[in-house]
Amino acid sequence: AQKITQTQPGMFVQEKEAVTLDCTYDTSDPSYGLFWYKQPSSGEMIFLIYQGSYDQQNATEGRYSLNFQKARKSANLVISASQLGDSAMYFCAMRDLRGGTASKLTFGTGTRLQVTL
Amino acid sequence: GAGVSQSPSNKVTEKGKDVELRCDPISGHTALYWYRQSLGQGLEFLIYFQGNSAPDKSGLPSDRFSAERTGGSVSTLTIQRTQQEDSAVYLCASSTQGAGNEQFFGPGTRLTVL
Repeated sequence: AQKITQTQPGMFVQEKEAVTLDCTYDTSDPSYGLFWYKQPSSGEMIFLIYQGSYDQQNATEGRYSLNFQKARKSANLVISASQLGDSAMYFCAMRDLRGGTASKLTFGTGTRLQVTL
Repeated sequence: GAGVSQSPSNKVTEKGKDVELRCDPISGHTALYWYRQSLGQGLEFLIYFQGNSAPDKSGLPSDRFSAERTGGSVSTLTIQRTQQEDSAVYLCASSTQGAGNEQFFGPGTRLTVL
């Protein structure tokens, strides 16, 4: 079974500062993918970034980067230069990649990020 | 192109009634997923369809929940004899077949059982 743990129920960050949202995972699958989604107050789930377990480099997408430490089973999201529009819930999720076909996501409980002036 | 759409956006029902929630995935996406998000919680997997394969129903919480996907496209999630604990936002997502591909989510249906 897969499990995602997000230990920070809420985080505050000042505008233009960087912030790290923690995510640890547990799985017995040798091949897996890690995802981060953003959920603003409007409710939609917005995909941010993906990291495959065999990827050699940490994933980056604009201001988002994923600090992937496989031995520690952590996949922290780093948001640089925070903006007011980054205020939202952030969910870490994972799926196994066995067989190479799509499969369900297992989500953490989320971290609510509030960006302040 | 159009994203994932869901209807209705809101549904209020009385305890004991049946409800049907609809999901239209992105055209060409072979995988379709249903998740449930209770207030202030993460997403809980319910059921997953992949092409013509048998669906993965391992997340359905009880036999009151069922889902079907017709013609490999539109999906309907049915909850029979609704209970108050069924109140949640029901999210549908779709993706292409690749295992590393992200899931695109619909706006959700907010179900309230009185």
